[in-house]
Amino acid sequence: RKEVEQDPGPFNVPEGATVAFNCTYSNSASQSFFWYRQDCRKEPKLLMSVYSSGNEDGRFTAQLNRASQYISLLIRDSKLSDSATYLCVPGGSQGNLIFGKGTKLSVKP
Amino acid sequence: EAQVTQNPRYLITVTGKKLTVTCSQNMNHEYMSWYRQDPGLGLRQIYYSMNVEVTDKGDVPEGYKVSRKEKRNFPLILESPSPNQTSLYFCASSTILAPSTDTQYFGPGTRLTVL
Repeated sequence: RKEVEQDPGPFNVPEGATVAFNCTYSNSASQSFFWYRQDCRKEPKLLMSVYSSGNEDGRFTAQLNRASQYISLLIRDSKLSDSATYLCVPGGSQGNLIFGKGTKLSVKP
Repeated sequence: EAQVTQNPRYLITVTGKKLTVTCSQNMNHEYMSWYRQDPGLGLRQIYYSMNVEVTDKGDVPEGYKVSRKEKRNFPLILESPSPNQTSLYFCASSTILAPSTDTQYFGPGTRLTVL
């Protein structure tokens, strides 16, 4: 099983749509989880940290299921500016971060 | 302004010609790291440093060297670059010694082409 698995997409959605990304991770010892956003050829930037069973920040909701080793990101009311690649990032066992390959989102007018 | 800077941003070089990519952060972070990003492979860690004079290998260290003589700087050295090191490189830093629990701040990236 790969350390982090994400559907690469692309997800093509209209403005205003709700879209969800899923991520599974193999390291059951991971204690911290993040979603990073990366625009084309730019640096990744932290979108959300995921604590406990999940958290919400405006239009973005992240959920964590430790038993299934599964993380999700829900984006409501999609904007054109949400178009990017979303990286699922669980913490590694040696204090590092393990980056998923990312899910590409394209929001169309 | 808190930031991580990298230089150069773009570099085209030839096989075997030694090069250094500099990385500097102004946030007094202990932890610094180098990643490379290739299509279909995602971000892979090359080397990291927990503090001054402390460096360790990441997942793909072959062909690279690093040094951490000062807290703010973490240069990446390619002694003899090869075409398979053509990639997009990111430097990152973090506030605490346990980077898996805190935000990593990334530099803008260096696009390297080795001919």
